[in-house]
Amino acid sequence: DIQMTQSPPSLSASLGETVSIECRASEDIYSNLAWYQQKSGKSPQLLIYYASSLQDGVPSRFSGSGSGTQYSLKISGMQPEDEGVYYCLQGSKYPRTFGGGTKLELK
Amino acid sequence: QVQLKESGPGLVQPSQTLSLTCTVSGLSLTSNSVSWIRQPPGKGLEWMGVIWSNGGTDYNSAIKSRLSISRDTSKSQVFLKMNSLQTEDTAMYFCARNVPGDPFDYWGQGVMVTVSS
Repeated sequence: DIQMTQSPPSLSASLGETVSIECRASEDIYSNLAWYQQKSGKSPQLLIYYASSLQDGVPSRFSGSGSGTQYSLKISGMQPEDEGVYYCLQGSKYPRTFGGGTKLELK
Repeated sequence: QVQLKESGPGLVQPSQTLSLTCTVSGLSLTSNSVSWIRQPPGKGLEWMGVIWSNGGTDYNSAIKSRLSISRDTSKSQVFLKMNSLQTEDTAMYFCARNVPGDPFDYWGQGVMVTVSS
């Protein structure tokens, strides 16, 4: 199975601050990487797919980059509604595997 | 619009079988695939398995021996059955649309299942 290592496990950011979350795959996943945001008690919401494509309706302050085994999610200007847990998901092979999550809080 | 909704018992006794239903609307199961994903309280997400649009299935090897996914296309329903439940199977269970080659884009709200005597 492909292992997804996500960092950091938690993060605190001030309003307007730029935030980055990293995800490393145990093998090349050829940009088949998605990012999700999950708010408390809700299902995950798709933010980014194919490493850098923005899902319809997602604010442009969210962006993704990376290739091979290294990927990142950037939030350019933290907003209160961005609080939640963020997960990466590899879509290269089955079983699909998720990163361990990054809890993002507003400082 | 596309909607998925999970239903099932909130409490299951240890060693018993869990049965969940995912009812979909706004999409056809003969042209869409559906995955089950679970999340223990306070923990991360685990992909469990998928039923493909052609009716074939694939399962996570970690739970394959206990898991079965099926469907009734006429009722737009996907079923999950998992036997020999233990306390560590306590989790929120989600169904999600699984487009081959794409990430899970539509998710249900989830159903919480507690395994306890």
